[in-house]
Amino acid sequence: QKEVEQNSGPLSVPEGAIASLNCTYSDRGSQSFFWYRQYSGKSPELIMSIYSNGDKEDGRFTAQLNKASQYVSLLIRDSQPSDSATYLCAVNTGFQKLVFGTGTRLLVSP
Amino acid sequence: SAVISQKPSRDICQRGTSLTIQCQVDSQVTMMFWYRQQPGQSLTLIATANQGSEATYESGFVIDKFPISRPNLTFSTLTVSNMSPEDSSIYLCSALELSKDEQYFGPGTRLTVT
Repeated sequence: QKEVEQNSGPLSVPEGAIASLNCTYSDRGSQSFFWYRQYSGKSPELIMSIYSNGDKEDGRFTAQLNKASQYVSLLIRDSQPSDSATYLCAVNTGFQKLVFGTGTRLLVSP
Repeated sequence: SAVISQKPSRDICQRGTSLTIQCQVDSQVTMMFWYRQQPGQSLTLIATANQGSEATYESGFVIDKFPISRPNLTFSTLTVSNMSPEDSSIYLCSALELSKDEQYFGPGTRLTVT
């Protein structure tokens, strides 16, 4: 069974700090990886996608992928209280089917 | 990104009845999917909605319980049949844009079965 693992948190960081969110996956053949943000009562919102080993930066967000170690991470710089949400890691396991982790709840305190 | 709408946004239904959820995308998309998010849980893929043919169901989900239609490239429906309280969940559709590998989600339908 293809699995995606995340620490459920909550991860608490002060405003302005860097939040680091991690995800591991079991299917070594996976090729594309995604981070979604989900506010309470809302649907998931895509914030980052990554396909190659290394870093991908978009504004305050950096996604990191290491296929050899089968982990994906998301760094949020200059964290804001508005970043408080659950962050879902998703892995494309083939035919565009996404397997989601259970999510990490991030709390950014003012 | 494509804008996705769902109807209804929420509903309360009685045990044994059925509910059909509609998903509309504002542009042509290659693939559409249906997910379920049970209370406090993450998302689980129910099926891939195939245009003009039968949906492809994931393990644990069957057509008799979750019939799906996709008559064209921008519209799909999911029916939750013969509902029980265990079907109480948020049902989400997603779409994959042409030439992109990114899925976007609709706002979801919150279903409560009493």
